[in-house]
Amino acid sequence: SQQGEEDPQALSIQEGENATMNCSYKTSINNLQWYRQNSGRGLVHLILIRSNEREKHSGRLRVTLDTSKKSSSLLITASRAADTASYFCATDAPQGAQKLVFGQGTRLTINP
Amino acid sequence: DVKVTQSSRYLVKRTGEKVFLECVQDMDHENMFWYRQDPGLGLRLIYFSYDVKMKEKGDIPEGYSVSREKKERFSLILESASTNQTSMYLCASRTGALTYYGYTFGSGTRLTVV
Repeated sequence: SQQGEEDPQALSIQEGENATMNCSYKTSINNLQWYRQNSGRGLVHLILIRSNEREKHSGRLRVTLDTSKKSSSLLITASRAADTASYFCATDAPQGAQKLVFGQGTRLTINP
Repeated sequence: DVKVTQSSRYLVKRTGEKVFLECVQDMDHENMFWYRQDPGLGLRLIYFSYDVKMKEKGDIPEGYSVSREKKERFSLILESASTNQTSMYLCASRTGALTYYGYTFGSGTRLTVV
């Protein structure tokens, strides 16, 4: 069953603009992770935020987590053409099982 | 950097064939995973393994089996390939507790069953 759901499903912006993607999940979590997937390739781990954290930064990435709303957002600032990819959130499965459950992703297109 | 290598980028197999997808990681990770990825369905977990010779079913294990004889290698086996197993297969590995570490993925194997 799906734990995380991303919104929007697709996003198209101009280079230099900021991109925001959202993720909602259903049950309590230990952590939430974001991954990037370039077309036809494997996923790359971007950032992990623990349930007791509210915000985390990594370069041009900013992730927030609101456990009361069961939601997270990924902000990419000053977007570049190379940021064009699909972005997935993932949460640890219910009952604390040591595996991740992925959402269906947001397809981000950066237009030059 | 940790490297997860999947033996083939593209495979074409015939219905009924036994298919082996190989995955090797080079950083002594305890945990390894096989997912399949399909449009509109996202990533779905097929099998995972916490240790050598150990395996656990994921969400969609039917039609698949796995083997982990050595720590670095996790093989996915399609016992009798069917057209509905045409998909992108992704292998991943992880060390330590899930709370602290993310997955490292291979580049994927796009399997077509004809």
